[in-house]
Amino acid sequence: DAGVIQSPRHEVTEMGQEVTLRCKPISGHNSLFWYRQTMMRGLELLIYFNNNVPIDDSGMPEDRFSAKMPNASFSTLKIQPSEPRDSAVYFCASSLGGQGFVGYTFGSGTRLTVV
Amino acid sequence: SQQGEEDPQALSIQEGENATMNCSYKTSINNLQWYRQNSGRGLVHLILIRSNEREKHSGRLRVTLDTSKKSSSLLITASRAADTASYFCATGTGANSKLTFGKGITLSVRP
Repeated sequence: DAGVIQSPRHEVTEMGQEVTLRCKPISGHNSLFWYRQTMMRGLELLIYFNNNVPIDDSGMPEDRFSAKMPNASFSTLKIQPSEPRDSAVYFCASSLGGQGFVGYTFGSGTRLTVV
Repeated sequence: SQQGEEDPQALSIQEGENATMNCSYKTSINNLQWYRQNSGRGLVHLILIRSNEREKHSGRLRVTLDTSKKSSSLLITASRAADTASYFCATGTGANSKLTFGKGITLSVRP
């Protein structure tokens, strides 16, 4: 199993540009989570999906952020337009939900720098 | 908002010593987990303890949970330089698998 796969690993973009982060969860996992990590705020849950359906997006900071999960093997997090304060490491994680829950598997993250 | 608060924020020990890290939380939980993060990497799940359990072991790891005090501790015995990392506690509060993470503890193990 290749684990949770995120791309790109690093992204440097100019303020105002659109940024798309991608995630492939572990096959068979039915929950997917997007987190953002910064020194100041730690790990923040942005949104999570169960069975491809968004369940809680209360952590999405603004309308500039959107996330989709068109199928069980792919999710995107989009920022449009990007701003310097969006600079952070964005993690995707997946898990088996319900009674089978034993913890998350995290991807390696995407380090986003907005200049 | 942070649910789990780890203590201490940083810990430095000699290889071979035991490391104890603590986590306190505010609301009722369904489960509590500990994760490790090496610099520049994603988090790795270490151990999960459910609210009806008091202690669990996994290799050199021992985790305890005291729901009356809303606290947990992670003990790493016979530490190694490779244990140097940040450690996070995370709490799950419902039937779903949503977790809230603390800000982490930085553990340095000196060879």
